[in-house]
Amino acid sequence: GAGVSQSPSNKVTEKGKDVELRCDPISGHTALYWYRQSLGQGLEFLIYFQGNSAPDKSGLPSDRFSAERTGGSVSTLTIQRTQQEDSAVYLCASSVTSGGDPYEQYFGPGTRLTVT
Amino acid sequence: AQSVTQLDSHVSVSEGTPVLLRCNYSSSYSPSLFWYVQHPNKGLQLLLKYTSAATLVKGINGFEAEFKKSETSFHLTKPSAHMSDAAEYFCVGGGGGYNKLIFGAGTRLAVHP
Repeated sequence: GAGVSQSPSNKVTEKGKDVELRCDPISGHTALYWYRQSLGQGLEFLIYFQGNSAPDKSGLPSDRFSAERTGGSVSTLTIQRTQQEDSAVYLCASSVTSGGDPYEQYFGPGTRLTVT
Repeated sequence: AQSVTQLDSHVSVSEGTPVLLRCNYSSSYSPSLFWYVQHPNKGLQLLLKYTSAATLVKGINGFEAEFKKSETSFHLTKPSAHMSDAAEYFCVGGGGGYNKLIFGAGTRLAVHP
């Protein structure tokens, strides 16, 4: 079946602009996660969705970052007023939460964001 | 796992020789542990996972890992490296709350002819 998909695969934006990153999880996966992979910081958790709600937003680095999920499926990560330090690869993952191992997460290919 | 430490940032081996990528964890309970691989410009792929059913876990592409509670280790091994194994490998623990994964810093594996 189809895996996790993310779009765009690459995004170059100017400092100060807003960007939206999209994630389409595996069908039937109720849990969705956003992670960020950057040089010097490694892979870090951003936010977790269970259905449409986000019980854990602890990893969002600032209030310029927000995310939503609609219909228990697609999620959008929005970064407002982008800064150069936002340049990174943004990874989305999904998993089941019942009837399986919720820690077994399946990752999308990522969106490489470059802020110039 | 509450923390995961990969002991080597870079490992270099010759093709056909064994691979050992080291990982230690800390956890106050039986951890969920995984190894993921990331090839250049590709997403993360699950290699194997520890489920507590067996301490020796076999994964894809000939990799395996052994869970050793007494040493708090979960090292990844492969008997014979192939050029296509060159990639970055992440030891990952579950248990960060709300199913959050905790990533090690990664080990970059280079395979030389």
